[in-house]
Amino acid sequence: AQKITQTQPGMFVQEKEAVTLDCTYDTSDPSYGLFWYKQPSSGEMIFLIYQGSYDQQNATEGRYSLNFQKARKSANLVISASQLGDSAMYFCAMRGQYNNNDMRFGAGTRLTVKP
Amino acid sequence: DTAVSQTPKYLVTQMGNDKSIKCEQNLGHDTMYWYKQDSKKFLKIMFSYNNKELIINETVPNRFSPKSPDKAHLNLHINSLELGDSAVYFCASSHFYRKDTQYFGPGTRLTVL
Repeated sequence: AQKITQTQPGMFVQEKEAVTLDCTYDTSDPSYGLFWYKQPSSGEMIFLIYQGSYDQQNATEGRYSLNFQKARKSANLVISASQLGDSAMYFCAMRGQYNNNDMRFGAGTRLTVKP
Repeated sequence: DTAVSQTPKYLVTQMGNDKSIKCEQNLGHDTMYWYKQDSKKFLKIMFSYNNKELIINETVPNRFSPKSPDKAHLNLHINSLELGDSAVYFCASSHFYRKDTQYFGPGTRLTVL
């Protein structure tokens, strides 16, 4: 069974600083994908970044980077130079190999960026 | 261009009614999903359709029935609505064999009175 854990219900960060949102996972699949989504107060789910379990390098997308530590089964999201518009819920998710459609989500972290 | 669209965005109805939510994607994906997000923001997969075949059916009451007329559409029909069905329902789509994509629709907020 797959499990995603986000241990930070809420996080605060000062504008222009970097912040790390934690995510750990558990799976027996040899190949899997890890995702981060942003959900602003308007409610939509916005895809941010993807990391494949066999990718050699950590994924980066603009100000977002994924700190992937396979041995520790962690996939933390790093947001650099935080902006007020980054205030939102952030969800970590995983999709396994053997059940390609079985995407499981963590409970989410609410990030608040302070001016 | 809208990638994954859902209608309606808001749905308010009485207990016991039957309602449908429609979803369409224009991304050329072959797999579509329905998720439920409860009041605590927890997201849980309900159904998945690949090439019009049901792949996942989590422990969802049989009052919920997904219907996929073609690869680009996956509708959700709910019979005999209950108070506990109040939630936000998200449609999503992806390629079956590619693990790096899954895009969500804007969500439908269902309120059962």
